[in-house]
Amino acid sequence: SQQGEEDPQALSIQEGENATMNCSYKTSINNLQWYRQNSGRGLVHLILIRSNEREKHSGRLRVTLDTSKKSSSLLITASRAADTASYFCATDVYSNSGYALNFGKGTSLLVTP
Amino acid sequence: NAGVTQTPKFRVLKTGQSMTLLCAQDMNHEYMYWYRQDPGMGLRLIHYSVGEGTTAKGEVPDGYNVSRLKKQNFLLGLESAAPSQTSVYFCASSPTGNSNQPQHFGDGTRLSIL
Repeated sequence: SQQGEEDPQALSIQEGENATMNCSYKTSINNLQWYRQNSGRGLVHLILIRSNEREKHSGRLRVTLDTSKKSSSLLITASRAADTASYFCATDVYSNSGYALNFGKGTSLLVTP
Repeated sequence: NAGVTQTPKFRVLKTGQSMTLLCAQDMNHEYMYWYRQDPGMGLRLIHYSVGEGTTAKGEVPDGYNVSRLKKQNFLLGLESAAPSQTSVYFCASSPTGNSNQPQHFGDGTRLSIL
């Protein structure tokens, strides 16, 4: 079953505004990752935050993690039309066979000029 | 540097036909994965491999088989295609089994089963 759930499912903003997406998950994690998917393309890794980190920055991206609430947020500041994409959070899942990622259903972001 | 390459990019099959999707990576990664993406469902893991000659089941393995005969290639087979397998299939790879490393994705294979 899917571990992460993003909220909102869809978000529409204007260029220059900030976009915030949230992710909730169910079980303990070691790391949480965020990915972007442009229409018709594969997923591209954006940022990884470890379970012992609370906040991480990369350019216009800011990710927070609250392990007590089992939630994470992705903030994109000063959005651009090129940020239009779907954004997914992914949590790690370990089994006897190895490690895999559980992806949420994604947030679809539309940034209009 | 090609990264992860998937072939074919598009395919239409009739119910009951078989086919193989090919994934190739040139990054010498140990781990490889096959996902399917359906509208409103996000990505779901079908099968994965932790190294050459190994495979493991993911969340939705039924109706699919995989093989990893060479480290750089991961094949996904549909023995008898069903309309429920209409989806976009993504392959990914990662350097090791450490979850602090990102996965690298191909651009997908869009498969329609009539």
